[in-house]
Amino acid sequence: EDQVTQSPEALRLQEGESSSLNCSYTVSGLRGLFWYRQDPGKGPEFLFTLYSAGEEKEKERLKATLTKKESFLHITAPKPEDSATYLCAVSGGSNYKLTFGKGTLLTVNP
Amino acid sequence: GAVVSQHPSRVICKSGTSVKIECRSLDFQATTMFWYRQFPKKSLMLMATSNEGSKATYEQGVEKDKFLINHASLTLSTLTVTSAHPEDSSFYICSARPQGLGTEAFFGQGTRLTVV
Repeated sequence: EDQVTQSPEALRLQEGESSSLNCSYTVSGLRGLFWYRQDPGKGPEFLFTLYSAGEEKEKERLKATLTKKESFLHITAPKPEDSATYLCAVSGGSNYKLTFGKGTLLTVNP
Repeated sequence: GAVVSQHPSRVICKSGTSVKIECRSLDFQATTMFWYRQFPKKSLMLMATSNEGSKATYEQGVEKDKFLINHASLTLSTLTVTSAHPEDSSFYICSARPQGLGTEAFFGQGTRLTVV
């Protein structure tokens, strides 16, 4: 059974204070690891897909990296508008179902 | 691109009535759509996988007679909550995977269902 564990559950940062979110996973035959952003009362917004260990992707202040056991979402010089819940998910095996972690609630104070 | 539209965004219904939620992929075709339920401060729980032209596959513990799923076309899937009860109140979210493209799934805006 695929499993995803995200840490920390919540993270408070000051504007400009860089940090990282962690996603540990176990999956049989990784098809992809996904990062999403979710704002309150909204559906998840797609950020990145990572397919193999060593892969990195960047978008504005966000950078996602992947190893065989975990993924990190690095946030550089965050702004208050980066405040959201960040979800990590994996897809494995012969289907395209996503298994989600519980998310990290990020709050960036001005 | 890759826009998924879910309607309605909010619905309040009386106990015992049925509610239909629509999920449309606006700019791509989706052979597979997924329906999730999310409880407050919890992650997304997959309810069922919907494949165009065939019966949906439900996750263990999800009542297929309570949550009816229809995927009649490559751009539309519907979830009907039948004989709704207050415990069915939740945030329901659909996602769609573009046909023939990678493994990404894109999500709708979600539907907040309140059963009174």
